[in-house]
Amino acid sequence: KAGVTQTPRYLIKTRGQQVTLSCSPISGHRSVSWYQQTPGQGLQFLFEYFSETQRNKGNFPGRFSGRQFSNSRSEMNVSTLELGDSALYLCASSPGTEVNEKLFFGSGTQLSVL
Amino acid sequence: AQTVTQSQPEMSVQEAETVTLSCTYDTSESDYYLFWYKQPPSRQMILVIRQEAYKQQNATENRFSVNFQKAAKSFSLKISDSQLGDAAMYFCAYRSGDSSYKLIFGSGTRLLVRP
Repeated sequence: KAGVTQTPRYLIKTRGQQVTLSCSPISGHRSVSWYQQTPGQGLQFLFEYFSETQRNKGNFPGRFSGRQFSNSRSEMNVSTLELGDSALYLCASSPGTEVNEKLFFGSGTQLSVL
Repeated sequence: AQTVTQSQPEMSVQEAETVTLSCTYDTSESDYYLFWYKQPPSRQMILVIRQEAYKQQNATENRFSVNFQKAAKSFSLKISDSQLGDAAMYFCAYRSGDSSYKLIFGSGTRLLVRP
C-alpha cells in the first residue's frame, strides 16, 4: 500500500505570492489533516477534512485554506505569503472514524518564503 | 485549552542502554488520548505508541513503553535497548476524546544515540 504522498517536497516563493500544496492519502483513508512545523512554534494544527468537508480548524488566519476532493486527495492554499509562513507543512491521513486511530504522515513540503 | 510540555530539548543515551523522555500535559477533560511520535531526518512522523486515558495499564510496543500517571498528568516514554536507529526527534501529543481529530504536540525532544 502506498503511503501518504505530498508534493512538491520543496518550494521557494516570494512574499505576496500564493502557493498550493498537495496531499494524496493512503487508499481508503477519508480523513486528511494538515500541520505546520516551524522551529519557533513547533507543530501546529491547521485543519482536518473528512469526506470533502472541513471538520476541524486550527487558529490560523484566513489566508490559509484547504479543500478535499472526492478521491480524498487534499490541497492546502496559502495566499499573500509572508516570511513567517516559511515552514514544513505536514499532511496526515487516517480512516477518520476512530478518535484514537493512528495518523499516517507524509514527508512534508518545505516552503521557503523569500 | 490543552497544552503539552516536553521539558527536555535534547537527551543522549548509549547504545543498548535505556532512556526515558518526559512529557506532561494539562487538560480538564476526562476522555483523551496520548501519543508519542518519532520524526527521523526523513521528516516523516511515525507513531511509536499510544495510550487511552481510560486505560490504567501502561501501553507497551516492543522496546517502547510508557509510564502514564493520569493524576499527575504525566506521560513519559521509556526506550529500552536503545539502537542507533532510535535517534530522532520525539514528540508527545494529545488528542481530545470529543471526536476532534486535532493533535496538540509538545515541542519535542531530540534523542542522540551514542555508539
